[in-house]
Amino acid sequence: EPEVTQTPSHQVTQMGQEVILRCVPISNHLYFYWYRQILGQKVEFLVSFYNNEISEKSEIFDDQFSVERPDGSNFTLKIRSTKLEDSAMYFCASSGWSVAGNTIYFGEGSWLTVV
Amino acid sequence: ILNVEQSPQSLHVQEGDSTNFTCSFPSSNFYALHWYRWETAKSPEALFVMTLNGDEKKKGRISATLNTKEGYSYLYIKGSQPEDSATYLCAFRRYGGSQGNLIFGKGTKLSVKP
Repeated sequence: EPEVTQTPSHQVTQMGQEVILRCVPISNHLYFYWYRQILGQKVEFLVSFYNNEISEKSEIFDDQFSVERPDGSNFTLKIRSTKLEDSAMYFCASSGWSVAGNTIYFGEGSWLTVV
Repeated sequence: ILNVEQSPQSLHVQEGDSTNFTCSFPSSNFYALHWYRWETAKSPEALFVMTLNGDEKKKGRISATLNTKEGYSYLYIKGSQPEDSATYLCAFRRYGGSQGNLIFGKGTKLSVKP
């Protein structure tokens, strides 16, 4: 069964460093997303991406964050200068079409620890 | 502020018990409700996407109902098995938001004892 894959599964980084989290969405999907879950809290929406541009972003997704689809398969989340509070599990997800009943498929997550 | 609540927070049942839990969401601007099953160290697995008031969906021993007028959905598991142990997440999509803009509940953690 097709799946969303994410790398790395776990990354430890120093505060202030740049981090890139990578995702390979399901191959025929057109819509891509990032979410995060801080330990003990709810999963939160970060950004939606379609047709090579951001279609919606949350308040969390400030200037420190950026997303890119550098080629036909990868979808990346960059955090420019990490802060302690960026420590979280980051989920990539994708879907085929933007209709109400469409399923959104998630990857296993990348656990980011900022020290 | 849109909020999604799930109850109970955790549930411990014996193998063979049937169980259910609740997801409450805003009743206005409803567009869709998603249910996911999430085991530790795995990706959240999509169970259902529900869009119409009165929807009932079933997948094996798991089923879900939807009431958009009062803003709740129930997830039922019939004859729980140890492999059903997981966190069950619901997520609300509001009308006017992009497809991925889901508002999640905190989840119900189910433990099934053999």
